[in-house]
Amino acid sequence: DAKTTQPPSMDCAEGRAANLPCNHSTISGNEYVYWYRQIHSQGPQYIIHGLKNNETNEMASLIITEDRKSSTLILPHATLRDTAVYYCIVRVENTPLVFGKGTRLSVIA
Amino acid sequence: KAGVTQTPRYLIKTRGQQVTLSCSPISGHRSVSWYQQTPGQGLQFLFEYFSETQRNKGNFPGRFSGRQFSNSRSEMNVSTLELGDSALYLCASSSHGTASTDTQYFGPGTRLTVL
Repeated sequence: DAKTTQPPSMDCAEGRAANLPCNHSTISGNEYVYWYRQIHSQGPQYIIHGLKNNETNEMASLIITEDRKSSTLILPHATLRDTAVYYCIVRVENTPLVFGKGTRLSVIA
Repeated sequence: KAGVTQTPRYLIKTRGQQVTLSCSPISGHRSVSWYQQTPGQGLQFLFEYFSETQRNKGNFPGRFSGRQFSNSRSEMNVSTLELGDSALYLCASSSHGTASTDTQYFGPGTRLTVL
């Protein structure tokens, strides 16, 4: 079973920041937080991952709370192409990804 | 670098037949994982191969099997197909090692329809 809880759906206006929350209150010290997204019927796309510190790359930022029990994925300027299902996954390295139901993000023009 | 490639992209089979799907990982990646995605069960892990050995296995019946070749390419086979095997089958590859190099990158998937 997935170890994360995400809202089933969210809307975001185009051009605004999309903030996707994830709860992982039972996370262990050696588990990383990974984010993937899946655009309809395509393979999941890796976005970002982190352990304790906040992370940023060209796609997004990942903010992890100090107690590591929750995190937020931030897409700074959402576009229509960011409409997808976003999955938050906690995982020890070299283990399978366990996908939950994710958050369906709809970016609205 | 080329991404993960999967062939064929679409496949139609009938009940009772068997099917083989192929996955070519990103160059240099040694780990290949397979996942099944259905509307009812979501994305589920099938198995993982690393250096031609199965390292992890999900909760699927023995009809689902796989293998990995010395060049890291992988195949999965489903025997005695059932209607419920209709799904998107996804392959992911990773370098293996530290978390930074262990990120899994997915292919586009093979859409299998069982009639």
